[in-house]
Amino acid sequence: GAVVSQHPSRVICKSGTSVKIECRSLDFQATTMFWYRQFPKQSLMLMATSNEGSKATYEQGVEKDKFLINHASLTLSTLTVTSAHPEDSSFYICSAGESGPGLYEQYFGPGTRLTVT
Amino acid sequence: RKEVEQDPGPFNVPEGATVAFNCTYSNSASQSFFWYRQDCRKEPKLLMSVYSSGNEDGRFTAQLNRASQYISLLIRDSKLSDSATYLCVVLGGSTLGRLYFGRGTQLTVWP
Repeated sequence: GAVVSQHPSRVICKSGTSVKIECRSLDFQATTMFWYRQFPKQSLMLMATSNEGSKATYEQGVEKDKFLINHASLTLSTLTVTSAHPEDSSFYICSAGESGPGLYEQYFGPGTRLTVT
Repeated sequence: RKEVEQDPGPFNVPEGATVAFNCTYSNSASQSFFWYRQDCRKEPKLLMSVYSSGNEDGRFTAQLNRASQYISLLIRDSKLSDSATYLCVVLGGSTLGRLYFGRGTQLTVWP
């Protein structure tokens, strides 16, 4: 199947700093990518839909000025957590969909574990 | 009401047992349905898609009842390696590719 990579896999940062997470589709082009967040023992929660060449669509309750999304190419979307605080510590996962005749599959990146101290 | 509701679990079963997970979804216009598996501190991985006619993949059988908006997953002859969290996932909504996740059901298979 298709491959989605994320970088970094793990990051520890101090409160107040910004962190950038990259999501790449390695062997297919993705006009749409999705960013999720998962807290311990909870399910994935969609944060935003990243659209290549246009503004991201944020879910209700997600601050667009805090979680900056840039989808500059068909293979790369970035999520920047600005002025991170301890409550932003979470597992961030991106995904990208590949479609074809009668087929739709979504592939997940391996995730980025963010710890804000 | 949540888009996707799952059995709360956890399920703790011995090797060789048969275990079933259930899931309901609220949006009758939902298009596609999946079961994902998530291991601890890892990303979800697609286990199988769910079709109206029901489908089987080895020890795993998935069923969909559109009238009742109900999805199930049956695991036969459980293995230790089946221990994971199983996520019921529904594709739907106005955004292409928008997935709705259930909270997940944790399964532990013991020797």
